[in-house]
Amino acid sequence: GNSVTQMEGPVTLSEEAFLTINCTYTATGYPSLFWYVQYPGEGLQLLLKATKADDKGSNKGFEATYRKETTSFHLEKGSVQVSDSAVYFCALSATGGSYIPTFGRGTSLIVHP
Amino acid sequence: SQTIHQWPATLVQPVGSPLSLECTVEGTSNPNLYWYRQAAGRGLQLLFYSVGIGQISSEVPQNLSASRPQDRQFILSSKKLLLSDSGFYLCAWRGEPLGGGYTFGSGTRLTVV
Repeated sequence: GNSVTQMEGPVTLSEEAFLTINCTYTATGYPSLFWYVQYPGEGLQLLLKATKADDKGSNKGFEATYRKETTSFHLEKGSVQVSDSAVYFCALSATGGSYIPTFGRGTSLIVHP
Repeated sequence: SQTIHQWPATLVQPVGSPLSLECTVEGTSNPNLYWYRQAAGRGLQLLFYSVGIGQISSEVPQNLSASRPQDRQFILSSKKLLLSDSGFYLCAWRGEPLGGGYTFGSGTRLTVV
């Protein structure tokens, strides 16, 4: 079956530090890959996506590259802000069936001033 | 534009009482709809999904049920709540095309007391 593995959190950084949150996946076929962000008390928001190998998704300074050879979709940001503090979910959506998405367990990011 | 509405935002219910959470989608037709639960500090658990009116698939045995009486309406119910039903409930729909990702509602915080 499909699966998504994310690094355990929380990730604690100082403002302006470089961020990497690792995500690897297992899937048959050619899935689409996503990063979602959840701010406290809110639903999930789509942060960025990539639909084929070597695509780079980017949004709000975050970016992730679809690496089929390493089955990875790591999230990066060059300089984090306090307002980036949230939980980040990596997800995939595979073809076939009812397109049930598969989510990672989420990684909490805490950014200190 | 497509939007998703979920209510209520917060709910406190006694053990043994019934539950009804509603989710509606606007600006699309025949969406795939999903109910997730998120326990405190944990990842997403898929409860139900629906690919059409009256079509409900259950992912895990639950004290909960779901119904889809209309194309863009998805309801989560329980006849008798348990303490373990407490959590953050999220409705989502799948955008088109498949690579468009999933849009989440703002969530319902349910506390069973």
